Amino acid sequence: GENVEQHPSTLSVQEGDSAVIKCTYSDSASNYFPWYKQELGKRPQLIIDIRSNVGEKKDQRIAVTLNKTAKHFSLHITETQPEDSAVYFCAASIGGATNKLIFGTGTLLAVQP
Amino acid sequence: KAGVTQTPRYLIKTRGQQVTLSCSPISGHRSVSWYQQTPGQGLQFLFEYFSETQRNKGNFPGRFSGRQFSNSRSEMNVSTLELGDSALYLCASSPGGETQYFGPGTRLLVL
Repeated sequence: GENVEQHPSTLSVQEGDSAVIKCTYSDSASNYFPWYKQELGKRPQLIIDIRSNVGEKKDQRIAVTLNKTAKHFSLHITETQPEDSAVYFCAASIGGATNKLIFGTGTLLAVQP
Repeated sequence: KAGVTQTPRYLIKTRGQQVTLSCSPISGHRSVSWYQQTPGQGLQFLFEYFSETQRNKGNFPGRFSGRQFSNSRSEMNVSTLELGDSALYLCASSPGGETQYFGPGTRLLVL
């Protein structure tokens, strides 16, 4: 069945360093790839998304890259800050239905001051 | 605009009971999706409603059902509750395309 693998499950970085989270998807029809940030006890918040016709997208300190051939996409956070500490989820649309998402298992990012 | 709201925020039920959860999307959004979040299984897609019609469905048993009203508000129902149904139930609204905005969730505990 369709699945999204996400690595690493935990990531600890020093403030100011970069963080990279990687996801691999299985459904070749996937065409929409959002990333969500979830702080403890709060709702998931969309931080960036990318569509299959784009290879890279950047928003201030956050960037996402997509390699459709390899079915692989990554989240890059530069100049990390303590407030970046949270669980990050990647997701991929299933079967071309952009409102049907399959999520990765999450990465707990800890930014040490 | 006001964000996605969900009621109730917390719920305790016993096995065998049924429960109804409510979601009010962002004004103007016509699509509502429902997800179950558990520590073991993560975030799993339940179903999506658009203009009062179920447009997509995940791999959950028939005990999980939903509906959407003409004002885009949505409800999901779980019948014959099991212990394993304890989870955070999240709804997400979208204008109809891709970008989904999540509500705060309803935390359901089944005893």
